[in-house]
Amino acid sequence: SQKIEQNSEALNIQEGKTATLTCNYTNYSPAYLQWYRQDPGRGPVFLLLIRENEKEKRKERLKVTFDTTLKQSLFHITASQPADSATYLCALDSYGGSQGNLIFGKGTKLSVKP
Amino acid sequence: GAGVSQTPSNKVTEKGKYVELRCDPISGHTALYWYRQSLGQGPEFLIYFQGTGAADDSGLPNDRFFAVRPEGSVSTLKIQRTERGDSAVYLCASSLADTQYFGPGTRLTVL
Repeated sequence: SQKIEQNSEALNIQEGKTATLTCNYTNYSPAYLQWYRQDPGRGPVFLLLIRENEKEKRKERLKVTFDTTLKQSLFHITASQPADSATYLCALDSYGGSQGNLIFGKGTKLSVKP
Repeated sequence: GAGVSQTPSNKVTEKGKYVELRCDPISGHTALYWYRQSLGQGPEFLIYFQGTGAADDSGLPNDRFFAVRPEGSVSTLKIQRTERGDSAVYLCASSLADTQYFGPGTRLTVL
């Protein structure tokens, strides 16, 4: 079965630096990979989706890369701010298709210090 | 527009009791998902509806768990004979395509 590893439980960085979070998967290549943000006591909020035929996608200060050879996605937040502090979850589609359930990693808790 | 809403926000019950958790998806979203999240873990899939029917219920842990979506909109997750291990945050999400929109969750505590 598909397994996802987010390699850091916690990441502490200084304001203004770039945060880089890693997501690795072990089995089949998903049709797409998504990143969500979750604040304490709240549900996950969608940030970015990248498809298997896309290498990179950007949205404002966020950038996601997808390497199907390495079975890895990197999530970058540039010019980080304390307001970016949250848990970031990586998620894959379960069956290589759309509208199926998602398989989530455990998340990486990012803390941005002023 | 209104997002996904879930009620109650918190539910405390005693071991052995029956509970119902409700999810109101975003209007027009055909797909609805239930996940369960324990502390320090990512959400874990339970069941997925496409319209009124359960398209995939492979994540339900046992037959104490059941969910319905009779009119293709609101869904109810039902847990019979609750156990302490059922304590978690139950998340609902809805979607039209690949992106899922989550509600705030119901925190269930079984004493």
